[in-house]
Amino acid sequence: QVQLVQSGAEVKKPGASVKVSCKASGYTFTGYYMHWVRQAPGQGLEWMGWINPNSGGTNYAQKFQGRVTMTRDTSISTAYMELSRLRSDDTAVYYCARDPTEVGATLENWFDPWGQGTLVTVSS
Amino acid sequence: SYELTQPLSVSVALGQTARITCGGNNIGSKNVHWYQQKPGQAPVLVIYRDSNRPSGIPERFSGSNSGNTATLTISRAQAGDEADYYCQVWDSSTLFGGGTKLTVL
Repeated sequence: QVQLVQSGAEVKKPGASVKVSCKASGYTFTGYYMHWVRQAPGQGLEWMGWINPNSGGTNYAQKFQGRVTMTRDTSISTAYMELSRLRSDDTAVYYCARDPTEVGATLENWFDPWGQGTLVTVSS
Repeated sequence: SYELTQPLSVSVALGQTARITCGGNNIGSKNVHWYQQKPGQAPVLVIYRDSNRPSGIPERFSGSNSGNTATLTISRAQAGDEADYYCQVWDSSTLFGGGTKLTVL
């Protein structure tokens, strides 16, 4: 079955960077877009962007442009999300989520399944 | 910018029907997707493209979308349906509603 397994919790100081990984299994990793979504404590869901695992092409939400970098390593079926210049309000659970769209088709922009989430805490 | 409006909370008696709305300007012209999130867990897709159920989601979950309102309907509500529910659309960017907490009484 399709499964996304994320890296463990992180604690970072303000101004630092964090890199979260998302290892995919059960399907052809390069065949489907991957999104990243975050959720601050007690808050709703916030979309950050997507990566095309085949080409490496990306599309970031305007809010995160300049601070977020999404990459992938196709040899190990893993996507990465790096967020720089961290602030306290970046404290959140970060999720990867697969889009059902096959690479090359019109992006559907819905998410199934999701990774288990990675808590990133930014604190001095 | 486009906005999605959900009620903060909805209550339903055990075994009755719950309806959770998602409002947006002419939302009927967009594809709406719904997610269920239980405490401490990742979201789970329950409805995609307005009214389609992924495999494994009970038939009790259904969706509709018309005009300025999309609706997630949960029939014969069970205690296990207690969760936060989020609607989501794409409008130049991916947007989520603020979420609705469903309480089963």
